[in-house]
Amino acid sequence: NAGVMQNPRHLVRRRGQEARLRCSPMKGHSHVYWYRQLPEEGLKFMVYLQKENIIDESGMPKERFSAEFPKEGPSILRIQQVVRGDSAAYFCASSQGMIAEQFFGPGTRLTVL
Amino acid sequence: AQRVTQPEKLLSVFKGAPVELKCNYSYSGSPELFWYVQYSRQRLQLLLRHISRESIKGFTADLNKGETSFHLKKPFAQEEDSAMYYCALSDQGAQKLVFGQGTRLTINP
Repeated sequence: NAGVMQNPRHLVRRRGQEARLRCSPMKGHSHVYWYRQLPEEGLKFMVYLQKENIIDESGMPKERFSAEFPKEGPSILRIQQVVRGDSAAYFCASSQGMIAEQFFGPGTRLTVL
Repeated sequence: AQRVTQPEKLLSVFKGAPVELKCNYSYSGSPELFWYVQYSRQRLQLLLRHISRESIKGFTADLNKGETSFHLKKPFAQEEDSAMYYCALSDQGAQKLVFGQGTRLTINP
C-alpha cells in the first residue's frame, strides 16, 4: 500500500490562475480530509469528504475554494483565481472510518507569484 | 472555540536528557488528543493518541483534564527523536483535527 498520494508535490501559479490539487487516499479508505498549512503555522482543517459527499466544509474559505471526491478517481481541491495569500502547503489525509486514524499525504506546496 | 497551544516553537536538548513538549488545549467537551510527528523529509504520522494509552518510541503523554494539558514526555532523548511535533485534538463527534503550531525538537549529540 503506497499510502496517501498527492500530486503535484509542487505547484507554481500566477495570480488569477486556477490551482488543482489531487489526493488519492489509501486503498480501502473512503474518508478524505484537506488541511492547509501557512508559513510558521500549524495545519488548519479545511474540508472533510466521503465518496461523492461533502461532510464538513467549515474550514473552507467562502469564495474561490471548492473540493470534491467523486465516485471514481482522486479527491480534488480546486482554488480559482489564486492570490498570493493562497501560498501554503496543502495536506490531504484519509481514514477508513469516522473515528479511525488519519493517514497523511506528503503535501502539495503551492506558490503563487 | 477549540484551540491547541504549543508554547515552544523550538526545543533543544542533549542526547540522554529528558524531554517534555508542552501542549495545552481549550475545549468544552471531551476531546480526543493526539501527538503527530514529522521527521525530516517524511510525511506527518501519528505518534500516539490518549485513548490508546500506549508508549511509542519511548514517548508517553497523559491527558490532564484539570490543567487541560497533554504534554509529551520521554525520559531519555535520542538523536533520532529530532523532528517536528504537533499536538492535535478532535471532537469525539467530529472528524476534523485541530492542530497546534508545532514544536521543532532538536536532540544534540
